[in-house]
Amino acid sequence: EAGVAQSPRYKIIEKRQSVAFWCNPISGHATLYWYQQILGQGPKLLIQFQNNGVVDDSQLPKDRFSAERLKGVDSTLKIQPAKLEDSAVYLCASSLEPGAYEQYFGPGTRLTVT
Amino acid sequence: SQQGEEDPQALSIQEGENATMNCSYKTSINNLQWYRQNSGRGLVHLILIRSNEREKHSGRLRVTLDTSKKSSSLLITASRAADTASYFCATALFGSSNTGKLIFGQGTTLQVKP
Repeated sequence: EAGVAQSPRYKIIEKRQSVAFWCNPISGHATLYWYQQILGQGPKLLIQFQNNGVVDDSQLPKDRFSAERLKGVDSTLKIQPAKLEDSAVYLCASSLEPGAYEQYFGPGTRLTVT
Repeated sequence: SQQGEEDPQALSIQEGENATMNCSYKTSINNLQWYRQNSGRGLVHLILIRSNEREKHSGRLRVTLDTSKKSSSLLITASRAADTASYFCATALFGSSNTGKLIFGQGTTLQVKP
């Protein structure tokens, strides 16, 4: 079974530039999550999709972050414009269903904003 | 705010010894999960314990849950160098929406010396 795929693995940009991350979840997983993990901290949920609908985006900085999951499969997370404090690892995860189920994580994209 | 807090923040042991990590949380939960993260990688699910369970085993892992004290512990027996990683507890909150949202702790960094 293929795991969660993410690209790119690394990205370096200057502040005020824009960047996009891509995620392809495990086939058949209806729920997709984007997390931000700052160095030395645990992951923080940014947005959760159930199929192509948003379930929770309460911690997404909507003035600069946006995400979509067209057709309920792969997803894109965008930052525009980036700030220095956006430097982090962005993790995508998927699960079979929401609720009491384990989440499967991709390798993450390490973003450095200079 | 972080729901879970882990203790200790860092742990260094010799191969063959046991490692114990603790997690405390603040609000009622549906389940608690433990994840491992190797350096530069995504998170890997280790074990899930539901709020009505007190203890669970998986190979060399033993997890306990005390809902009255709002705490959990992860025991790794007969540790190996390959167990070197960061370990995170994550709580799925008890709530009407039951979206499966996980709130992660800060993590415990475990180093197992050969």
